[in-house]
Amino acid sequence: EPEVTQTPSHQVTQMGQEVILRCVPISNHLYFYWYRQILGQKVEFLVSFYNNEISEKSEIFDDQFSVERPDGSNFTLKIRSTKLEDSAMYFCAGGGSGRNEQFFGPGTRLTVL
Amino acid sequence: KQEVTQIPAALSVPEGENLVLNCSFTDSAIYNLQWFRQDPGKGLTSLLLIQSSQREQTSGRLNASLDKSSGRSTLYIAASQPGDSATYLCAVHVVGGSARQLTFGSGTQLTVLP
Repeated sequence: EPEVTQTPSHQVTQMGQEVILRCVPISNHLYFYWYRQILGQKVEFLVSFYNNEISEKSEIFDDQFSVERPDGSNFTLKIRSTKLEDSAMYFCAGGGSGRNEQFFGPGTRLTVL
Repeated sequence: KQEVTQIPAALSVPEGENLVLNCSFTDSAIYNLQWFRQDPGKGLTSLLLIQSSQREQTSGRLNASLDKSSGRSTLYIAASQPGDSATYLCAVHVVGGSARQLTFGSGTQLTVLP
């Protein structure tokens, strides 16, 4: 059964550095999402991406964040200048049209020091 | 703004018991509701999706119900097993845009004792 994959599983970075989190969605999915979960808190929506552009974004997704799907398979989340409060688990998800069930990857744990 | 609440926050039961997890949401304008399982430090596994026009959905020992008008959903787990121990998350698909962002509850941490 196809799965969403994410790399790396754990990323440690210094405050102010740029990070890129990578995801390979399931091939027939059309909608792509990033969510994050700060330790002990709810899973929060960041951004949705459809037809090669951002469809919706939350208040969290400010100018420090960007997403792209550079080659039709990978889906990336870039944080330009990381802050301590960006430490969280970041989940990539995807879904097809119709039922809109979302399938999540295993997550990347980002630790900002 | 949509708020999703899950009760109880934690639940511990002996193996073999049937149990019910509760989820409530404040805005009934949802497309669907999805139940997930999350193991410690891991990703989210989709368990069931209930579309807004449905009242329930079943998968194996799991049965989820949806009462959209009252803003409630329940997840029923029959004959619980230690392997069911995990955090169970409820999420609603919010109306808006061309995609379907999910709003999550805090989860119910389930422990099934052997």
